[in-house]
Amino acid sequence: GAGVSQSPSNKVTEKGKDVELRCDPISGHTALYWYRQSLGQGLEFLIYFQGNSAPDKSGLPSDRFSAERTGGSVSTLTIQRTQQEDSAVYLCASSFDRGSYNEQFFGPGTRLTVL
Amino acid sequence: AQSVAQPEDQVNVAEGNPLTVKCTYSVSGNPYLFWYVQYPNRGLQFLLKYITGDNLVKGSYGFEAEFNKSQTSFHLKKPSALVSDSALYFCAVRDPRDQAGTALIFGKGTTLSVSS
Repeated sequence: GAGVSQSPSNKVTEKGKDVELRCDPISGHTALYWYRQSLGQGLEFLIYFQGNSAPDKSGLPSDRFSAERTGGSVSTLTIQRTQQEDSAVYLCASSFDRGSYNEQFFGPGTRLTVL
Repeated sequence: AQSVAQPEDQVNVAEGNPLTVKCTYSVSGNPYLFWYVQYPNRGLQFLLKYITGDNLVKGSYGFEAEFNKSQTSFHLKKPSALVSDSALYFCAVRDPRDQAGTALIFGKGTTLSVSS
């Protein structure tokens, strides 16, 4: 079946602009995660959605970052007033449910470059 | 707090030789441990996980990992490396007592380079 998909694959924007990144999780997966991968920094957790529960936003680095998940499926990560330090690869992952033993399936990522 | 350490930024090995990518963790209880691989310009792919049971876990592409509770380690191994194994490898941990079901904690990654 189809895996996790993300769009766009690459995004170049100017400092101060807003960007939206999209994630389509695997059908039937109720848990969805956003991570940020910066060079030499590994993966940084941003936000987690589980079904209709309130999201865990504990990893969002600033109030310029927000995310939505509509209908328990597609998610959009929005970065307002982008800064150069926001440049990174943004990865989305989904898993079958909230069970902490379930592996996460990752999308190919969106490479964001802020000029 | 949970944490994962991958002490080597890079591991170099010749094709056909055994490989080990090291991972140590810090979790208060019994951890859930994962290995992922990332090929260039691709997302992360799941390799294997340890939840409970046998300490030696077998996964995709001939990889295996051994959970060692006394040493708090979960090293990734393969008996005979292939050039195609060259990639970035991430170890990750989760505390099963975490009822919020939040994200994995990842190490910084180890680049594996297999030479022909």
